[in-house]
Amino acid sequence: AQSVTQLDSHVSVSEGTPVLLRCNYSSSYSPSLFWYVQHPNKGLQLLLKYTSAATLVKGINGFEAEFKKSETSFHLTKPSAHMSDAAEYFCVVSEYGNNRLAFGKGNQVVVIP
Amino acid sequence: GAVVSQHPSRVICKSGTSVKIECRSLDFQATTMFWYRQFPKQSLMLMATSNEGSKATYEQGVEKDKFLINHASLTLSTLTVTSAHPEDSSFYICSARGSGLLDETQYFGPGTRLLVL
Repeated sequence: AQSVTQLDSHVSVSEGTPVLLRCNYSSSYSPSLFWYVQHPNKGLQLLLKYTSAATLVKGINGFEAEFKKSETSFHLTKPSAHMSDAAEYFCVVSEYGNNRLAFGKGNQVVVIP
Repeated sequence: GAVVSQHPSRVICKSGTSVKIECRSLDFQATTMFWYRQFPKQSLMLMATSNEGSKATYEQGVEKDKFLINHASLTLSTLTVTSAHPEDSSFYICSARGSGLLDETQYFGPGTRLLVL
């Protein structure tokens, strides 16, 4: 069964500085990996996904993530944080043929002006 | 593309009444939809998997007679919370899986906030 680890439940960044959210996964088979963002009282919005194509994935709002199989990681980055980036971020893994998604516990990002 | 809507966005009801939540895939067909529950400051908990034209598959610990799921078409799944009680108050989120055979992506609705008084 697949699983996801997101450390640092709360992350504070200053506006204009880089954002790094770490995600490590465990999967028996070739996984698909996703990052979703959730703003308060909203659903989850897909930021980006890796599905066995290019290992460096670019998403919306300037975010990108790199799939590193040797490190079982899929860290999310953004060069310069914006106030609108304040939200909860979930790293999610899925295995082909398995309906079930495995969610990380989430990173609550606070952007300091 | 890949937009999922939910209705209503929030609902307040009295204890003992039933509440229906709709989940629609607006621009794609979804043979599989999912219902999640999210408690404050926690991740999503899968309640059930809904397959068009067949019975839903419920996760362990989720009462199927309390949370009725119907997936009558390729674009609509409904969750009915029967005889709701205050402990059912929560944020309910649905998702629909992409239509491609190899696409594991789930697209999420905006959620429904249920408050049972």
